[in-house]
Amino acid sequence: GAVVSQHPSWVICKSGTSVKIECRSLDFQATTMFWYRQFPKQSLMLMATSNEGSKATYEQGVEKDKFLINHASLTLSTLTVTSAHPEDSSFYICSALPGVPGGEQYFGPGTRLTVT
Amino acid sequence: DAKTTQPPSMDCAEGRAANLPCNHSTISGNEYVYWYRQIHSQGPQYIIHGLKNNETNEMASLIITEDRKSSTLILPHATLRDTAVYYCIVRGLKGNQGGKLIFGQGTELSVKP
Repeated sequence: GAVVSQHPSWVICKSGTSVKIECRSLDFQATTMFWYRQFPKQSLMLMATSNEGSKATYEQGVEKDKFLINHASLTLSTLTVTSAHPEDSSFYICSALPGVPGGEQYFGPGTRLTVT
Repeated sequence: DAKTTQPPSMDCAEGRAANLPCNHSTISGNEYVYWYRQIHSQGPQYIIHGLKNNETNEMASLIITEDRKSSTLILPHATLRDTAVYYCIVRGLKGNQGGKLIFGQGTELSVKP
């Protein structure tokens, strides 16, 4: 199946700093990518939809100025957690949608963020 | 998108079939039923999807009732590596790119030796 990668797989940062997470579709072009967050023992929560060449669409309650999303190419979307705080510690997962009608989403392996 | 209801947990003996139910009584005519699973600390993995006909692939079978209000995912010969959280998601196709996937709580399947 299609492969989606994330980098880094885990990161530890100090409170107040910013962290960038990359999501790449390795063998297909993705005009749409999605970003999710998952806290321990909970389900995935959709944060935003990222469309190549346009502004991301954020879900209700997600701060767009805190979670900056850039989808600069058909194979790369980035999520930057700005001024990270310990409560931002979570598992961040991206998914990519191939540019075919009705195609299923392919998920990345996730990035574990720990803010100290 | 329609919501789904799944049992929070299930056990299955290794080698036996695992039947995971999902209720989606408010599904509309243009919404598909998708199944994903998530093994601990990994990204979700696509399993199968269907509209109204039963579907089968190398991983599983999907049985959708005639009224489409419920479905069952069948893992024919469960192995220990099938231990995961299984998510049933109803999703419509919006435009050419498909709709968002909204995850519920899923069913935690434990396959035991």
